[in-house]
Amino acid sequence: ETGVTQSPTHLIKTRGQQVTLRCSSQSGHNTVSWYQQALGQGPQFIFQYYREEENGRGNFPPRFSGLQFPNYSSELNVNALELDDSALYLCASSLGGPGLREQYFGPGTRLTVT
Amino acid sequence: GESVGLHLPTLSVQEGDNSIINCAYSNSASDYFIWYKQESGKGPQFIIDIRSNMDKRQGQRVTVLLNKTVKHLSLQIAATQPGDSAVYFCAVRTNTGNQFYFGTGTSLTVIP
Repeated sequence: ETGVTQSPTHLIKTRGQQVTLRCSSQSGHNTVSWYQQALGQGPQFIFQYYREEENGRGNFPPRFSGLQFPNYSSELNVNALELDDSALYLCASSLGGPGLREQYFGPGTRLTVT
Repeated sequence: GESVGLHLPTLSVQEGDNSIINCAYSNSASDYFIWYKQESGKGPQFIIDIRSNMDKRQGQRVTVLLNKTVKHLSLQIAATQPGDSAVYFCAVRTNTGNQFYFGTGTSLTVIP
């Protein structure tokens, strides 16, 4: 176990709705990255948060947004859900700054959009 | 950016044999590499990492080799066990950003 936790485990939403996913980083880790993993694919980087600010973003539209809190936990918000948003959403935490650091993943949240 | 590919989408090995999983990347500015193991229904599990100033790194039953000249990375698993059955990903980070790029994964099946 990595100490990275995510909630909820599973979620079913309808197209057009909004969703919030949560992540608690491993103790002492102050950097959280979010990834989307479609079935049969590798994880794709959504964005990273460091010291409560977005610190890098992948090729995802603005309806994907996030927050990081003073305790380093993080939220991923997705507005106007589309069917293609169905995926496993993973968060990963790392120690220290956003440099060459080991990155540990949580178990993920399985989002299904119908 | 970065493009990451694995040479084989699936690999089957006999229990006790050695496994080799290969990964190619495109960006010569990539400076940090991690191998992950992902079992069904779980998040990726950190196995071993290597920085670009190294060619080889060993862990418990695993070895990662990095060839920067041809932009190739491999994961060797010694004495493969049934519990090693999973999908393996290499994750590559460039020195120009904070994100890791993942390949599509190699599914390893260990035959008892």
